Amino acid sequence: QVQLQQSGPGLVKPSQTLSLTCAISGDSVSSDSAAWNWIRQSPSRGLEWLGRTYYRSKWYTNYAESVNGRMTMNPDTSKNQFSLQLNSVSSEDTAVYYCASAMSDCSSSGCYEGYFQHWGQGTLVIVPS
Amino acid sequence: DIVMTQSPDSLAVSLGERATINCKSSQSVLSSSNNKNFLAWYQQKPGQPPNLLIYWASTRESGVPDRFSGSGSGTDFTLTISSLQAEDVAVYYCQQFYNTPRTFGQGTKVEIK
Repeated sequence: QVQLQQSGPGLVKPSQTLSLTCAISGDSVSSDSAAWNWIRQSPSRGLEWLGRTYYRSKWYTNYAESVNGRMTMNPDTSKNQFSLQLNSVSSEDTAVYYCASAMSDCSSSGCYEGYFQHWGQGTLVIVPS
Repeated sequence: DIVMTQSPDSLAVSLGERATINCKSSQSVLSSSNNKNFLAWYQQKPGQPPNLLIYWASTRESGVPDRFSGSGSGTDFTLTISSLQAEDVAVYYCQQFYNTPRTFGQGTKVEIK
């Protein structure tokens, strides 16, 4: 059973960098049948997918347009975890941040992922205005 | 981006009665490659992360009670709770995984009447 444990500060000053880590147990960040995601939730934006990283013979990373250019996701194979860094934060980045796994669902027609079976506990990050 | 729109925003249902939540996508999430709808449903209770209920529009996740069912295809989908229990009070979200960015509906709050 996959478990995700988040860590990181809950308060970040404006213009600084938000950094969170998601530690994985029960699977490998290098698994070729999983994708590792960050999602945030706020009253103004609802549930917002931020990006994913996954390994399929090489590493791939995709980001949402809303954070592209400010966000970096990095897998850490030595610690079996992945991270989120969001630069130049503002009060609009105040949200509960979740990491989540999407496992590949395979059949004769191929393998697909994108629904989120496992979630971290969530981290409330506040950026004061 | 695919926009997901849920209706209603909230509903109150008596215990044991049926609850129906609708979700509409701005474009079809039915894939010709596997003939499946790339649509999932989640339940979220206060202070908890969302919990996967249904994927491929109608496949129940392991451990989810059979009073939860999903239906629909293309752009129109429904989550039905056949007999509402007290523990079903929550906010429900649909989500498309047809493409990136993954997008969610705004949520439907279900309460007891």
